[in-house]
Amino acid sequence: EAQVTQNPRYLITVTGKKLTVTCSQNMNHEYMSWYRQDPGLGLRQIYYSMNVEVTDKGDVPEGYKVSRKEKRNFPLILESPSPNQTSLYFCASSSGSLYGYTFGSGTRLTVV
Amino acid sequence: AQKITQTQPGMFVQEKEAVTLDCTYDTSDPSYGLFWYKQPSSGEMIFLIYQGSYDQQNATEGRYSLNFQKARKSANLVISASQLGDSAMYFCAMRPNAGNMLTFGGGTRLMVKP
Repeated sequence: EAQVTQNPRYLITVTGKKLTVTCSQNMNHEYMSWYRQDPGLGLRQIYYSMNVEVTDKGDVPEGYKVSRKEKRNFPLILESPSPNQTSLYFCASSSGSLYGYTFGSGTRLTVV
Repeated sequence: AQKITQTQPGMFVQEKEAVTLDCTYDTSDPSYGLFWYKQPSSGEMIFLIYQGSYDQQNATEGRYSLNFQKARKSANLVISASQLGDSAMYFCAMRPNAGNMLTFGGGTRLMVKP
């Protein structure tokens, strides 16, 4: 089944403790992206990647890092999480066609 | 830069009636795609419908149709014969054909009353 898999689904952590949210797709998509969703703000792009070793900042990249060492994986790294990073995070991938974004199931992160 | 505006934070509709969710956009790109996604309370993002900026006809997918008015830069979603399962958040989004960035509006929460 074609899908984007994010892990974990839920995470509660403390301020300053480094964490990684994994994202993997099995569709051989070149384009992958991370979004965060906050009430009233919709989904805002954090980082995106056009291909292996090609990443760029989205609208809200501060406090996040990404890497794209393999085509299928695009992990999101929070080196020192803070409470304002409490949010619902989505990974998405696309084949680059006019439509065809596939979203992961989301990761609900709480930083206390 | 692209911007998507959804002016209705929340809406009620009676079961079996039709409802229109508004979406306006702003872009300098000559060619783009418009999308609607549904997000139920379980949280996943479900793709509903797509409209290309050069498509001559409005897109339809089952009970969903898109009222696309290019000159007014609007792409409203029409849901016919609302069902209780339609209660969810709905997001309008846009992507330029020359790029990959998908920009979202703030969403509209639709509540279907029995």
